[in-house]
Amino acid sequence: GQNIDQPTEMTATEGAIVQINCTYQTSGFNGLFWYQQHAGEAPTFLSYNVLDGLEEKGRFSSFLSRSKGYSYLLLKELQMKDSASYLCAVMDSNYQLIWGAGTKLIIKP
Amino acid sequence: DTEVTQTPKHLVMGMTNKKSLKCEQHMGHRAMYWYKQKAKKPPELMFVYSYEKLSINESVPSRFSPECPNSSLLNLHLHALQPEDSALYLCASSPPADTGELFFGEGSRLTVL
Repeated sequence: GQNIDQPTEMTATEGAIVQINCTYQTSGFNGLFWYQQHAGEAPTFLSYNVLDGLEEKGRFSSFLSRSKGYSYLLLKELQMKDSASYLCAVMDSNYQLIWGAGTKLIIKP
Repeated sequence: DTEVTQTPKHLVMGMTNKKSLKCEQHMGHRAMYWYKQKAKKPPELMFVYSYEKLSINESVPSRFSPECPNSSLLNLHLHALQPEDSALYLCASSPPADTGELFFGEGSRLTVL
């Protein structure tokens, strides 16, 4: 079966750094995505990794290791507005997105 | 125009009503999607239209009926829904290259009484 695992909830402090991990087992791999979703709103695209390594985009970075079926999203200089759910999604061999359950990130002052 | 527009934003309907959700994008995307999302859950794929043809139907009950009148519009017709169908319905589109990036609309919050 296809499976994506990520922690249910994480808490971090404003100004700090947090790493949200995602492990996956899918039938084929055509890229891994991170989306941010604030409560009651639609998901917004954060990053896309298809090759191993680190992709940096401002305060957010995403890492991929295909051999380990592992990715993480790194958020630096946390701000209160970063409180949201972070969804990991993998595109399988049929180009369908398989979604993780999401990690709720709580930022404390 | 880099937006996916969904209407209405909120909808309350009874179990005997017929209503429709609408979605529009003008980015030239040729794939459009309907997702259903319950609170604290990831989006669940319902339907995919590719080049205006229904390519994926994830065993969705017939009380949900999608329609793609043209490459910019996607409708979801609702009839005889159940209270458990209450959820956020998200429309998304993606560009022709299979990069998988989805552009989501803001969603339609549906409540079935």
